Amino acid sequence: GDSVTQTEGLVTLTEGLPVMLNCTYQSTYSPFLFWYVQHLNEAPKLLLKSFTDNKRPEHQGFHATLHKSSSSFHLQKSSAQLSDSALYYCALSDEASSSFSKLVFGQGTSLSVVP
Amino acid sequence: EAAVTQSPRNKVTVTGGNVTLSCRQTNSHNYMYWYRQDTGHGLRLIHYSYGAGNLQIGDVPDGYKATRTTQEDFFLLLELASPSQTSLYFCASRETGGSYEQYFGPGTRLTVL
Repeated sequence: GDSVTQTEGLVTLTEGLPVMLNCTYQSTYSPFLFWYVQHLNEAPKLLLKSFTDNKRPEHQGFHATLHKSSSSFHLQKSSAQLSDSALYYCALSDEASSSFSKLVFGQGTSLSVVP
Repeated sequence: EAAVTQSPRNKVTVTGGNVTLSCRQTNSHNYMYWYRQDTGHGLRLIHYSYGAGNLQIGDVPDGYKATRTTQEDFFLLLELASPSQTSLYFCASRETGGSYEQYFGPGTRLTVL
């Protein structure tokens, strides 16, 4: 079945340093990939999705590139801000499977940005 | 932006108790979902639905029932609550096709003593 792996449970960074959160996936068919962000005591919200007319998806300084050869969709930002501290989920939706209507989430990576 | 509301926001019950969590979305979305969120496990899908009267089994359905009474309303039922069901529960909705973005409600924190 489909699965998403986020290897880092907690990432701590100093403000101003680059961010990279890892996401790899397993899928039988051709998936769509998503990044959701959840700030403390809030609901998860969509940050990025992989299918934006062949353009690299970007939002709030974050970007991610779908690499089918390595089954990866890593999240990156050039300079971390204190407000980026949050829980980040990578998720997959498989367009060709019967369960296309649902998302499979990774375990989540908690990003803590410190001064 | 899509509006998804949940009630109650917090609930405490005892083992063996009967609990109903409610979710309403006002954006005419066809798809609705129930997740539980636990540290180390992320978001796990319990049940979902693509319209009134429809129910699909998710990845962790044991101990949970769900019912979709209207396009707007989706309920999660715990008929014999257990401490292992202590968790943060999120409801979400999505339109058919389009961006495939799921919109989440604010969550219900359930404690089973």
